[in-house]
Amino acid sequence: KNEVEQSPQNLTAQEGEFITINCSYSVGISALHWLQQHPGGGIVSLFMLSSGKKKHGRLIATINIQEKHSSLHITASHPRDSAVYICAVRGATNKLIFGTGTLLAVQP
Amino acid sequence: DAGVIQSPRHEVTEMGQEVTLRCKPISGHDYLFWYRQTMMRGLELLIYFNNNVPIDDSGMPEDRFSAKMPNASFSTLKIQPSEPRDSAVYFCASSSHHRSNSGNTIYFGEGSWLTVV
Repeated sequence: KNEVEQSPQNLTAQEGEFITINCSYSVGISALHWLQQHPGGGIVSLFMLSSGKKKHGRLIATINIQEKHSSLHITASHPRDSAVYICAVRGATNKLIFGTGTLLAVQP
Repeated sequence: DAGVIQSPRHEVTEMGQEVTLRCKPISGHDYLFWYRQTMMRGLELLIYFNNNVPIDDSGMPEDRFSAKMPNASFSTLKIQPSEPRDSAVYFCASSSHHRSNSGNTIYFGEGSWLTVV
């Protein structure tokens, strides 16, 4: 079993829909990152969380340390949100452990 | 700042040749990471440095891989000799753990796409 599990693996949505991507982990962490990788390959860090909730524009990330679970929400989704979203946790060392990613396609 | 800069962006090389990938981290960042991404294995950490010192190289697949960070503004990842199974995208990333910073946010380069034929 992977230490970081994401769901769903693939997600297709219509423009305007509210989207949720989930991440569960089984190790102790100091922080959790949500990354976005566009078809061109570049990776951007969206959020870094150690507790609670963060919001940036239409993106919201939450984390529940007790339940070892995080969610990434996209409100009013748009085709330009189409990308791979990757959850990564930072353990006791400084290493990031990655989930396998969620491929999101938002159709107009 | 221009962000994390990697070169080359794309490289196609023949099996057995030496490959050198380069990375310039964001100025002031004290951590530098090398990752590899493949369809089969996703993103994997190869090695990371703190203040130019290699901290954990347990992800380096084998002796054909080596990484150096001679100073705070430059790192290389070398594969010698290269093999077709090394074909992947290699990402360099940097971060800062200074309290004055936003703290631990990691910044990725655009990746070096390596194809070994």
